[in-house]
Amino acid sequence: DAGVTQSPTHLIKTRGQHVTLRCSPISGHKSVSWYQQVLGQGPQFIFQYYEKEERGRGNFPDRFSARQFPNYSSELNVNALLLGDSALYLCASSVGTGGNNEQFFGPGTRLTVL
Amino acid sequence: GQNIDQPTEMTATEGAIVQINCTYQTSGFNGLFWYQQHAGEAPTFLSYNVLDGLEEKGRFSSFLSRSKGYSYLLLKELQMKDSASYLCAVRDDYKLSFGAGTTVTVRA
Repeated sequence: DAGVTQSPTHLIKTRGQHVTLRCSPISGHKSVSWYQQVLGQGPQFIFQYYEKEERGRGNFPDRFSARQFPNYSSELNVNALLLGDSALYLCASSVGTGGNNEQFFGPGTRLTVL
Repeated sequence: GQNIDQPTEMTATEGAIVQINCTYQTSGFNGLFWYQQHAGEAPTFLSYNVLDGLEEKGRFSSFLSRSKGYSYLLLKELQMKDSASYLCAVRDDYKLSFGAGTTVTVRA
């Protein structure tokens, strides 16, 4: 079975540009979460979506937005890119939310902002 | 807010045992997870604790004390492939809050 997939794998952008990252969850998983991982740190929560509705949002500026589609795939959009947005962006899917619902992580998209 | 602390680095010899401690102060608690992350790769699930006590899974064991806000991950019979970052994460209602990770280096 396919795991969580993310595209693109790597991306280079310049300051001020915008970027769209994509995630396809494991088949049957209805929840998608997005995390930002800066080098040397643990992942930081950005968004969680469940059944196409936003369930939670982390401490990130409004430049960050996301959505979930009817097929449960998801997009993360970042506008007006800053150098500090350079990071590994991880998508995780789970069957549901809360409890012992294990989150399965995708390989991530490495974003470099120049 | 969430505060999750774990040591930055640990080094051990192949075949040995290493214990990675994690202390947490969080606004909510709905379970504690341990993940392994090799350099440049995604985190992979190792263990989940929601009740106090020890969970054993092969060479890996995880312990939780909710009253103390404390967990540890025990890696036994270390192998070279265990060299990685180990992430402690606490779930509240829906999201995971991660520590910064402990880099474990296994020496021959």
